[in-house]
Amino acid sequence: GIQVEQSPPDLILQEGANSTLRCNFSDSVNNLQWFHQNPWGQLINLFYIPSGTKQNGRLSATTVATERYSLLYISSSQTTDSGVYFCAYYNYGQNFVFGPGTRLSVLP
Amino acid sequence: SAVISQKPSRDICQRGTSLTIQCQVDSQVTMMFWYRQQPGQSLTLIATANQGSEATYESGFVIDKFPISRPNLTFSTLTVSNMSPEDSSIYLCSVEDQLAGPYEQYFGPGTRLTVT
Repeated sequence: GIQVEQSPPDLILQEGANSTLRCNFSDSVNNLQWFHQNPWGQLINLFYIPSGTKQNGRLSATTVATERYSLLYISSSQTTDSGVYFCAYYNYGQNFVFGPGTRLSVLP
Repeated sequence: SAVISQKPSRDICQRGTSLTIQCQVDSQVTMMFWYRQQPGQSLTLIATANQGSEATYESGFVIDKFPISRPNLTFSTLTVSNMSPEDSSIYLCSVEDQLAGPYEQYFGPGTRLTVT
C-alpha cells in the first residue's frame, strides 16, 4: 500500500508562533484530508484538500498532488491548537488511510 | 455535516468479558466504518459496515473477535469480544458524508476502553 509519512512527529511551540506540518506519500493519492484530534480524543475535520490551497482562519493547507505532499500551516498558534494532526488519503476501498500524526503542544 | 454519537464514551472492563459499542448517526448513510486507535498510535480501520450485508474486515481483524451489526442506515454496533489488556484503545466510528462533500469522512467522539 501507499506509505504515509508525517513530519515532524512532535512539535512544541510557544503561543503565537507559526508552524508548518508536512505529509508525504510514496505514490499519488486522491482526496486528502487533514484532521485534528483534540486532547479528549475527538477527531475534527480541518480540510478536504485533494489539490491546491485552502484557508480557514489561522489554518491553511496546500496539496501538491504531482509531488506527493501536503502541508498544513498554523499561524499565531493558540493553546487550543494542541493535539495530534493527522493527514489521511482516500483508499478506493472506500475508507481513509491515516498517517502516523504530528503531536503538537502549544505552551502559554 | 453528519452528527455522530457513540455509547459508551468510556468503560473499564474485566479481561475475558465483551463490550458492545453503539454508533448513531443523525442522517442516513450508506457506509459506516469502525477504527481502533491504540494508545499513542494512529487510527487503524477494523471494518466497513454496509446496511444489509456482512461487514468487511481488514487484515488482522476477524468477525469472531469484533462482530459488527448494521441493522439500518443510521445505526451500527461493534462488539469487542473476550477482551484482553491489548484491546485497550479508543474505538471510533465514522461515516462518509456525501452531502458535506465527496469523500469527506466524519468521526464520532470515540469510546475509550480500558481492559484490566
